[in-house]
Amino acid sequence: GQQLNQSPQSMFIQEGEDVSMNCTSSSIFNTWLWYKQDPGEGPVLLIALYKAGELTSNGRLTAQFGITRKDSFLNISASIPSDVGIYFCAGQIGSNYKLTFGKGTLLTVNP
Amino acid sequence: DVKVTQSSRYLVKRTGEKVFLECVQDMDHENMFWYRQDPGLGLRLIYFSYDVKMKEKGDIPEGYSVSREKKERFSLILESASTNQTSMYLCASRKRGWKLFFGSGTQLSVL
Repeated sequence: GQQLNQSPQSMFIQEGEDVSMNCTSSSIFNTWLWYKQDPGEGPVLLIALYKAGELTSNGRLTAQFGITRKDSFLNISASIPSDVGIYFCAGQIGSNYKLTFGKGTLLTVNP
Repeated sequence: DVKVTQSSRYLVKRTGEKVFLECVQDMDHENMFWYRQDPGLGLRLIYFSYDVKMKEKGDIPEGYSVSREKKERFSLILESASTNQTSMYLCASRKRGWKLFFGSGTQLSVL
């Protein structure tokens, strides 16, 4: 099956720093989604990307759909303590009903 | 806003018990999914349903069954709970091919 490699696995940063994480695959996707999960909660959708090259922002978050359609990245600018959590990428191929998820990036922000 | 509601946040059951996890969505979504989430393993798909009375096995269906008698409700059944089914269970739903929305999760402990 398809696999997504998400990196880094974890990050420990200072408040105010920018953060970057990415997902890569050997497969082509036609949709990329980025989620954030707070401890003990379900993942919440942050950004959805539908076109190669698309760059989309949601507040301090920016995500891009890679031009090869095999990767995506998420940037968080000027991090704050409430950015703490696990960030997941997910990709979908064609009309396949299943999404493929990365294993997540655990972000810790030191005030 | 889309609402995906899981009936219990925390459940404690004994080995061998039959366990029902219920999920309800209020947005007339065709597709519904059950995942389990374990540390280091990410999100793994147990079963999904692309419409009423339809179901398909995901990546780890062993020990589970599902029921989708009404469009808004998708139930996950553990016929005989075992300790290795202790996990966080996440329900999700979406309009066909669109963004996936998650519930808050059920943390199940099997003793």
